Amino acid sequence: NFMLTQPHSVSESPGKTVTISCTRSSGSIASNYVQWYQQRPGSAPTTVIYEDNQRPSGVPDRFSGSIDSSSNSASLTISGLKTEDEADYYCQSYDSSNYVFGTGTKVTVL
Amino acid sequence: QVQLQESGPGLVKPSETLSLTCTVSGGSISSYYWSWIRQPPGKGLEWIGYIYYSGSTNYNPSLKSRVTISVDTSKNQFSLKLSSVTAADTAVYYCASLVGSGVLVWGRGTLVTVSS
Repeated sequence: NFMLTQPHSVSESPGKTVTISCTRSSGSIASNYVQWYQQRPGSAPTTVIYEDNQRPSGVPDRFSGSIDSSSNSASLTISGLKTEDEADYYCQSYDSSNYVFGTGTKVTVL
Repeated sequence: QVQLQESGPGLVKPSETLSLTCTVSGGSISSYYWSWIRQPPGKGLEWIGYIYYSGSTNYNPSLKSRVTISVDTSKNQFSLKLSSVTAADTAVYYCASLVGSGVLVWGRGTLVTVSS
């Protein structure tokens, strides 16, 4: 099976932009969709991006997802950072009927 | 939109079987795939397995020998059984609906502690 590796933490000021990477260890990142989940402290995760770059209804367009085959990674970009965006973020993909979660990234809004 | 609610004992003794149920409201269980995911305290997410309303299942290979997921379409519920639990199985357990290759909706989660 494969692994999805994320940076442990990122931090930025309100109004700025942060990008979180998610690197797939083996197999092509483009071979299966990538999802992104936000988990605020003490709460269940919620889906912010599905199928690489789609936003569920209610998720602001400040959140965007992309795939980069050259680095075999996916990225979540949060623009116009708000204090409410402070949370853990997990990427997730799928292969051979198995769902794999990334290691998680803590986003701190300074 | 579909809502999910986990229920079951919050404390299980070592070597016993953990049993949880997820009740689906606002939609039919005969849509989507349904999954269990867990998160040990302070750690990341781990997929446990999924089931389709027809009863077909797939489990995380690392847990496969101890996991059973079942569905009761008459009650709009699906369930998790994890046998021979140890302290390492202490976690918040989430039920979720799957669409495509990811989670669409998450339950609120329930903490299960394994302790004597």
